[in-house]
Amino acid sequence: DTAVSQTPKYLVTQMGNDKSIKCEQNLGHDTMYWYKQDSKKFLKIMFSYNNKELIINETVPNRFSPKSPDKAHLNLHINSLELGDSAVYFCASSHTQMTGPDSPLHFGNGTRLTVT
Amino acid sequence: QKEVEQDPGPLSVPEGAIVSLNCTYSNSAFQYFMWYRQYSRKGPELLMYTYSSGNKEDGRFTAQVDKSSKYISLFIRDSQPSDSATYLCAMTIYNFNKFYFGSGTKLNVKP
Repeated sequence: DTAVSQTPKYLVTQMGNDKSIKCEQNLGHDTMYWYKQDSKKFLKIMFSYNNKELIINETVPNRFSPKSPDKAHLNLHINSLELGDSAVYFCASSHTQMTGPDSPLHFGNGTRLTVT
Repeated sequence: QKEVEQDPGPLSVPEGAIVSLNCTYSNSAFQYFMWYRQYSRKGPELLMYTYSSGNKEDGRFTAQVDKSSKYISLFIRDSQPSDSATYLCAMTIYNFNKFYFGSGTKLNVKP
């Protein structure tokens, strides 16, 4: 059973379109995250939710809107897609929002977004 | 300056070699240090963590932290082709709510 699963795996779309990525975790974790990984493999946090509440919102354009219907799900909606949004988007979860050896990050396998 | 710096490589070694992967960091408050391994087209997975200076060993892998130099290392002994992946270091302050990642070093172990 996949612990953190995200769909779709690949997403190819044109500039200006709106798209969504979905994430689900079956680990019983309280905290979920969206990370963006650029072509140089740098992982940058975008958002973090703890028990459905937003706790981290890095300087991300407001075209990106996360939604957490329950603590097992975190979706990412992107409006008016731009070329620079092309990247791999990773969902992750952790036991709690407090970082420590008992609460490492568990990642999904990513959604590869290509904007043409 | 980024919080965490990591040489991107790629690093290519023959099977059986000892590999050394390194990161430097700027924030002396970091306490908890991790290494993640990321295979191609997959998400990062936690390989090892340390919570202090010194060494921690797990099989063929040894993680080392030198807080005075703000430098961490991951050593892989008897490297195998299956170790070929990108290795990302990450660190945080204990009970904080954010992890800081290096940009990853791509390792290729040739049979």
